[in-house]
Amino acid sequence: DAGVIQSPRHEVTEMGQEVTLRCKPISGHNSLFWYRQTMMRGLELLIYFNNNVPIDDSGMPEDRFSAKMPNASFSTLKIQPSEPRDSAVYFCASSLHRRNTEAFFGQGTRLTVV
Amino acid sequence: QQPVQSPQAVILREGEDAVINCSSSKALYSVHWYRQKHGEAPVFLMILLKGGEQKGHEKISASFNEKKQQSSLYLTASQLSYSGTYFCGTEVNNNDMRFGAGTRLTVKP
Repeated sequence: DAGVIQSPRHEVTEMGQEVTLRCKPISGHNSLFWYRQTMMRGLELLIYFNNNVPIDDSGMPEDRFSAKMPNASFSTLKIQPSEPRDSAVYFCASSLHRRNTEAFFGQGTRLTVV
Repeated sequence: QQPVQSPQAVILREGEDAVINCSSSKALYSVHWYRQKHGEAPVFLMILLKGGEQKGHEKISASFNEKKQQSSLYLTASQLSYSGTYFCGTEVNNNDMRFGAGTRLTVKP
């Protein structure tokens, strides 16, 4: 398996624009996580899905952020409108929905909002 | 709900030992440890489960004190390749894994 695949790897956008980040989890994994990483706050859990259903989105910072998982092989994280403080590296991770398994991370999307 | 890690940073010489601590205010089901190299994704090291089971790395050990909701990662005889940022992730319920702010480890020759 190719692992967790995220796209794009880098995104530079202007403030106010819509940004969509994409994630393809490892085949067979049924839990998917979105994290945001900054120097100040480390790795923050934004939202996670089990079997395509959002379980906890309490980490989503504002209504400007939304995430979907229309099927087991694809998820998106959308920011609309984007702001400079959204600049960060966004990671997607997937795992089997059991409590003793590790999560596998994608390579991340580095987002810069100018 | 994020766990708290300490120290924030450690600098070692090759061959020295280090301990990284992780604590939570919530009752934990499991603790996960990951290492992240600069510009790369976090990579799994080990899991410690409630009840004492461990899964993970050959050369790195860890402990999990269930009563105190604390875990420690022990890096012995450190190598240059151990450099990176170490994150503990904690599961409270329902497969939610939240990470601490990380501990930056630098191993020098």
